[in-house]
Amino acid sequence: ETGVTQTPRHLVMGMTNKKSLKCEQHLGHNAMYWYKQSAKKPLELMFVYNFKEQTENNSVPSRFSPECPNSSHLFLHLHTLQPEDSALYLCASSQDLDVGGYNSPLHFGNGTRLTVT
Amino acid sequence: DAKTTQPTSMDCAEGRAANLPCNHSTISGNEYVYWYRQIHSQGPQYIIHGLKNNETNEMASLIITEDRKSSTLILPHATLRDTAVYYCIVRVAASAKLVFGAGTILRVKS
Repeated sequence: ETGVTQTPRHLVMGMTNKKSLKCEQHLGHNAMYWYKQSAKKPLELMFVYNFKEQTENNSVPSRFSPECPNSSHLFLHLHTLQPEDSALYLCASSQDLDVGGYNSPLHFGNGTRLTVT
Repeated sequence: DAKTTQPTSMDCAEGRAANLPCNHSTISGNEYVYWYRQIHSQGPQYIIHGLKNNETNEMASLIITEDRKSSTLILPHATLRDTAVYYCIVRVAASAKLVFGAGTILRVKS
C-alpha cells in the first residue's frame, strides 16, 4: 500500500474514446503530480498541482486535461489520443512543493497502464 | 539544471552490499540529491535524499562527496527484492520538477 491509489490499473481505449484516470492520496499531502512513462524512456513530468491550483504544465498536448477538485484527488481526462500516447501514467503526491528550498519526497502510485488502439 | 550520470546496469550478490554511484558535477549549492527506485510494474519508491552530509535510514545510506559532485547509494545487505531500476536525481532549482534519467538497473543474484 503506497498511500497513493490509481484506478484503473489497466485501460485500453480507441482513439475516439473519452476516458479518465483517477488518483487518490491518503497521505494528507498538498501537492499532486502526473508523470508519463513510455517504454524505454525516462519518466516525464506532465502536470503539477499545489493546493488544487495547477503550477506546472510541461508542454502537454491539450488532449490530456487534468483536474484537481481537492488536494486528495487528481484526474487526467483523455480525449482523442494517439497510439504513441500508450504508456504508464503515474500519479504522485508530496507534502509541499518547496519548503525553504527543500522538496519533500514524492510518493507514487503504481500507475495506469494505458493502451491506445 | 544539474544532470546526473549513472551506470546502465550493475550486478550484486545477495547478502552483499550494493554500491550505486552517481555523478552530478554541475550540481548547485542548494540542490538536493534524491534516490528513488522502481521495481517492475510498480511506481517509483522514494529511498533517501541529502544535501551535504551523509544520510542513513532504514532502507539505505547515502554518501555525498565533499565537493558534492558525486554520491553513492549503499544498500547494506541486498536481497532479491532489491532488484530494480535506481534513479539518482537532482532537484531542479526553483521548480517542482524531479527530472528522472535512465537510472541504473540493479540485479541482485543468489
